[in-house]
Amino acid sequence: AQSVTQLDSHVSVSEGTPVLLRCNYSSSYSPSLFWYVQHPNKGLQLLLKYTSAATLVKGINGFEAEFKKSETSFHLTKPSAHMSDAAEYFCVVRSGSGNTGKLIFGQGTTLQVKP
Amino acid sequence: EAGVTQFPSHSVIEKGQTVTLRCDPISGHDNLYWYRRVMGKEIKFLLHFVKESKQDESGMPNNRFLAERTGGTYSTLKVQPAELEDSGVYFCASSQDWANEQFFGPGTRLTVL
Repeated sequence: AQSVTQLDSHVSVSEGTPVLLRCNYSSSYSPSLFWYVQHPNKGLQLLLKYTSAATLVKGINGFEAEFKKSETSFHLTKPSAHMSDAAEYFCVVRSGSGNTGKLIFGQGTTLQVKP
Repeated sequence: EAGVTQFPSHSVIEKGQTVTLRCDPISGHDNLYWYRRVMGKEIKFLLHFVKESKQDESGMPNNRFLAERTGGTYSTLKVQPAELEDSGVYFCASSQDWANEQFFGPGTRLTVL
């Protein structure tokens, strides 16, 4: 069965410093992995996706993630945090069974950005 | 282009009552999904429509939940009768194809008292 584990429920950084949000996945075959972000009172927005092409994936707003098969990880990074990055972030894997778009979510990581 | 819309944004009901949530997907999106997040838990899949057919309803918690998508456009999710543990945020998403990006609505916050 597919699953994802977000290793931190809460991350706090200062504005201008790097961001690292950690995610490990479990999959019996090559997974499709995503990072979504949810700002307060907004819907979930796709940041980036990995679908077995390049292992380093660039997303919107300066975020990127690296797929590391050997470590079963898909950590999200950004070189310099901005106040507007404060939100909840979700690591997600698509279920591999059948033609279903079923997404399996991690527990979420709340990113706090301090001035 | 309008995004995925959900109605209502909030609903507060008494235990035992019925509530119907509505989702309007992006125009032209055949695939529609329902997810929910119970407080303190992760977002969980409920079901997936392709047009008006249920492709995958493996996440529906029990028979108090009924999802429909008549005509393959908007969808409704009815909870009858509602229980306290049904409280949470219900998200709807849509996509052109099952393998494409899913676009999410803002969610409906359901509180059962």
